Amino acid sequence: AQSVTQLGSHVSVSEGALVLLRCNYSSSVPPYLFWYVQYPNQGLQLLLKYTSAATLVKGINGFEAEFKKSETSFHLTKPSAHMSDAAEYFCAVSFSGGYNKLIFGAGTRLAVHP
Amino acid sequence: DAGVIQSPRHEVTEMGQEVTLRCKPISGHDYLFWYRQTMMRGLELLIYFNNNVPIDDSGMPEDRFSAKMPNASFSTLKIQPSEPRDSAVYFCASSLASRYEQYFGPGTRLTVT
Repeated sequence: AQSVTQLGSHVSVSEGALVLLRCNYSSSVPPYLFWYVQYPNQGLQLLLKYTSAATLVKGINGFEAEFKKSETSFHLTKPSAHMSDAAEYFCAVSFSGGYNKLIFGAGTRLAVHP
Repeated sequence: DAGVIQSPRHEVTEMGQEVTLRCKPISGHDYLFWYRQTMMRGLELLIYFNNNVPIDDSGMPEDRFSAKMPNASFSTLKIQPSEPRDSAVYFCASSLASRYEQYFGPGTRLTVT
């Protein structure tokens, strides 16, 4: 069975600091992995995706994530946080033959302080 | 291209009333998903369709909830009768069979008093 665990429901960083949001997955088949961002009162927006090409994936707004099969991880990073990055971030996994269904993590709320 | 369109954006209704939420997926997408999001339960998948056919409705909380997809460009989620615990944000999302990412609509905020 597929599952996603996001470590830390809340993460707080200072503006300009490194952002690291953790995601570990469990999958019995090769996974497709995603990060979504949700700003207040908005829908989820695709940030980036891993679909078995390059293991380091670059997304929008300066975010990137690295797929590490040995660690079953897909952590999201950004070198320098901006105030506008404050939002909730969701990691999700899908797999071939799964009807495009996404299994979401519980989400991590990122706060950015001046 | 227009994204996923949902209407209404906000709905306030009284307990016992029927509520219908609407969704127009991205043109050409094969899959449509309905989610519910609350503070207590997070994001929950309610039901999803492939080529207008319901594939899995195991996430629908009760028989009061029903969903239809009469054609490739329209889906409804109906709650009858509505209860205060149905208050949530309901999202619709769509995806293309050959790609796995889903695209979300802006959501409908439902308040049942």
